[in-house]
Amino acid sequence: AQRVTQPEKLLSVFKGAPVELKCNYSYSGSPELFWYVQYSRQRLQLLLRHISRESIKGFTADLNKGETSFHLKKPFAQEEDSAMYYCALRGSNYQLIWGAGTKLIIKP
Amino acid sequence: DSGVTQTPKHLITATGQRVTLRCSPRSGDLSVYWYQQSLDQGLQFLIQYYNGEERAKGNILERFSAQQFPDLHSELNLSSLELGDSALYFCASSLDKSTDTQYFGPGTRLTVL
Repeated sequence: AQRVTQPEKLLSVFKGAPVELKCNYSYSGSPELFWYVQYSRQRLQLLLRHISRESIKGFTADLNKGETSFHLKKPFAQEEDSAMYYCALRGSNYQLIWGAGTKLIIKP
Repeated sequence: DSGVTQTPKHLITATGQRVTLRCSPRSGDLSVYWYQQSLDQGLQFLIQYYNGEERAKGNILERFSAQQFPDLHSELNLSSLELGDSALYFCASSLDKSTDTQYFGPGTRLTVL
């Protein structure tokens, strides 16, 4: 089965603290994974994709095939990072399979 | 701004009615995707069109249909509306069929009363 699991519905951390948003996937082939972010009342935006291996807004994510994970990390959270974060997997029919999302709240 | 536009922003209607949501992709993008985002179901892929033809189907109800026109804009038609159809409907576009990054529109919020 092809599936994306984001185990945390809500994650609340203090400004300046490290952030890790968890994403686990189930996929038999070579996965292509994405993180999208949705700020309040705004559209979904691509944050990063694992094949590009870039860092956007200080966020990074490493694909761990052994643990079937693609956790999103940032060493020092900022208040403007508060948003909904979605992990997505490109399925075998090329469509995106989405996790349920994690709401990140950065406390001042 | 990603360039994908959707109209209307908000739509309030009654059960049993029919509505049409419109999406204009980014300039040059040939693929259009429709998603439904609801509180209980999360983000669900509905359907994809590529250059006017249906490319892939997801969890789209039979009461829903879509099409992509020669100018590449797309419409999502929702009929016999039920309370449970209340959701945010997103359109996304990408350059090609499947492997390109998807760029999302701002969404249409549908409320069925």
